[in-house]
Amino acid sequence: AQSVAQPEDQVNVAEGNPLTVKCTYSVSGNPYLFWYVQYPNRGLQFLLKYITGDNLVKGSYGFEAEFNKSQTSFHLKKPSALVSDSALYFCAVRASGSSNTGKLIFGQGTTLQVKP
Amino acid sequence: SAVISQKPSRDICQRGTSLTIQCQVDSQVTMMFWYRQQPGQSLTLIATANQGSEATYESGFVIDKFPISRPNLTFSTLTVSNMSPEDSSIYLCSVVWPYTGELFFGEGSRLTVL
Repeated sequence: AQSVAQPEDQVNVAEGNPLTVKCTYSVSGNPYLFWYVQYPNRGLQFLLKYITGDNLVKGSYGFEAEFNKSQTSFHLKKPSALVSDSALYFCAVRASGSSNTGKLIFGQGTTLQVKP
Repeated sequence: SAVISQKPSRDICQRGTSLTIQCQVDSQVTMMFWYRQQPGQSLTLIATANQGSEATYESGFVIDKFPISRPNLTFSTLTVSNMSPEDSSIYLCSVVWPYTGELFFGEGSRLTVL
């Protein structure tokens, strides 16, 4: 069965410092991996994805994520956090062989709190 | 990317009633997806809606409780029937953008059942 784990409910970081939001996954076959962000009272916004190719993926708002196949991880990173980055972040996975392209398995979410 | 509009954005409903949520996409898409986000929890796929055929429901979700319509390639509705407080959630419509494979979401419909 496919699954996604986000081991931290909340990550606190000071503005200007680097941030990491962790994600590990379990899937049969090659994974398609995604990060989404949810601001209060809003829907989910797509940040970035890994399908194939370069292990370091760059996305929106200066975020990037590193795919590590041996550790089955896809951690979200940003070199310098902004207060406006404070939000709920979801990691999601889909097996490359899945026939339903819209069925993503989501992690529990990690609340990022960036303090001034 | 796709622009997805949902109505209502939020509602407060009484136990035992039903509510229909509408989802409009600004381009034609083959499949539309309905997700549920219960308070403080992650997202779970309810069903996949194809135009011209019955929706495909995920385990734990049934058509009698969550009937779905898909009359054309840009529109879908999800009805939450005979609501109970446990149905209080955010319901999100989503589509896969065919050119990139990304899943885009609407703003969600926040339902509170008293």
